Amino acid sequence: DQQVKQNSPSLSVQEGRISILNCDYTNSMFDYFLWYKKYPAEGPTFLISISSIKDKNEDGRFTVFLNKSAKHLSLHIVPSQPGDSAVYFCAASEYQGGKLIFGQGTELSVKP
Amino acid sequence: SQTIHQWPATLVQPVGSPLSLECTVEGTSNPNLYWYRQAAGRGLQLLFYSVGIGQISSEVPQNLSASRPQDRQFILSSKKLLLSDSGFYLCAWSVKAVDTIYFGEGSWLTVV
Repeated sequence: DQQVKQNSPSLSVQEGRISILNCDYTNSMFDYFLWYKKYPAEGPTFLISISSIKDKNEDGRFTVFLNKSAKHLSLHIVPSQPGDSAVYFCAASEYQGGKLIFGQGTELSVKP
Repeated sequence: SQTIHQWPATLVQPVGSPLSLECTVEGTSNPNLYWYRQAAGRGLQLLFYSVGIGQISSEVPQNLSASRPQDRQFILSSKKLLLSDSGFYLCAWSVKAVDTIYFGEGSWLTVV
């Protein structure tokens, strides 16, 4: 049972445009959501997070939106840069410090 | 500052041979520790989760086991490897009551 789903395995975007990565979840107990970025043969690195008391969190070019009623979150990258090309994982946990459940990942390719 | 190390970085093992991947965390005490695996074409799968010495939760039935002999040491083992054990293994840690999880560099395992 996949509790966290990223239904798009890949996304291609032109440099300077907006990248939108989507994530859906099924467990209504999830309260914390995170996005990680992963380059090939490296460990994932933390990007941005959001708790369920908020619907938006922004950090520079990265914004995460949370729609609890739809059990959906998205990551917006504006403007997209070639260095953003990587696999992006969304993750969720039921409480702070709880184990994270990851989605399958979306490979973002930003073309110059 | 906190650091995480895991080794070896790559290994090629024959089917039926044993496995030991080791992970240590520095600069923090009593962390949550995790082993994840990324198989080819799949997302990050949580294998084991530990909240303290000797406390291991197994998330999926499999050919692997984990141990935490010391507070900041986490070991992933197998007595007899299967071809399906091939993948990219990631050790990770988090501070209790904080949602962010930090990953090691990863270990590539190829079972032949």
